[in-house]
Amino acid sequence: EVQVVESGGGLIQPGGSLRLSCVASGFIVSSNYMSWVRQAPGKGLEWVSVIYSGGDTHSADSVKGRFTISRDNSKNTLYLQMNSLRPEDTAVYYCARLWAPGWFDPWGQGTLVTVSS
Amino acid sequence: DIQMTQSPSSLSASVGDRVTITCRASQGISSWLAWYQQKPEKAPKSLIYAASSLQSGVPSRFSGSGSGTEFTLTISGLQPEDFATYYCQQYNTYPLTFGGGTKVEIK
Repeated sequence: EVQVVESGGGLIQPGGSLRLSCVASGFIVSSNYMSWVRQAPGKGLEWVSVIYSGGDTHSADSVKGRFTISRDNSKNTLYLQMNSLRPEDTAVYYCARLWAPGWFDPWGQGTLVTVSS
Repeated sequence: DIQMTQSPSSLSASVGDRVTITCRASQGISSWLAWYQQKPEKAPKSLIYAASSLQSGVPSRFSGSGSGTEFTLTISGLQPEDFATYYCQQYNTYPLTFGGGTKVEIK
């Protein structure tokens, strides 16, 4: 079965760091485009970052310089390193395969990140 | 950034109804548009890509149309399991952007 499963969310203070993980099964992460999308409580969807099969990355302006997307090919796992977290980063973070040129499927179940003191 | 505007933001409908949701892009995006369904506390699910191509496993009562700046998602014969929030998403240009969502509720 093709699926992705996220983990690593939690409560973190403003200015702190957190690393999210996304383990894929049924397909090879490094052969695909992979992405993170987030959803603030009660709000809509916001694209965060993408890593292409070649390794290049691209991120939304709202997280550029603070968040880094990466992958571990040996673990078939995608990561999102989040630094300098702000209250407005509070959201459910979804991992998803990005079918070129740019639609998402499948999505993981999401992991909640809460930034609060 | 390309702004995606959905209308209506919510609607009430009955089982068996035909429902149409509109998505407008702030600039032309050809057919680079996807639709998703999201149920409460669940992850989004892909329904349609390339404006009108049905994702594998999605019932044929769902259909999409449009190109350029105006798109529609139609549900022909609403079923109880279709009550959810629907989002459009453009992938013509980065940043990838989503519409604000349309909540389909039971009348």
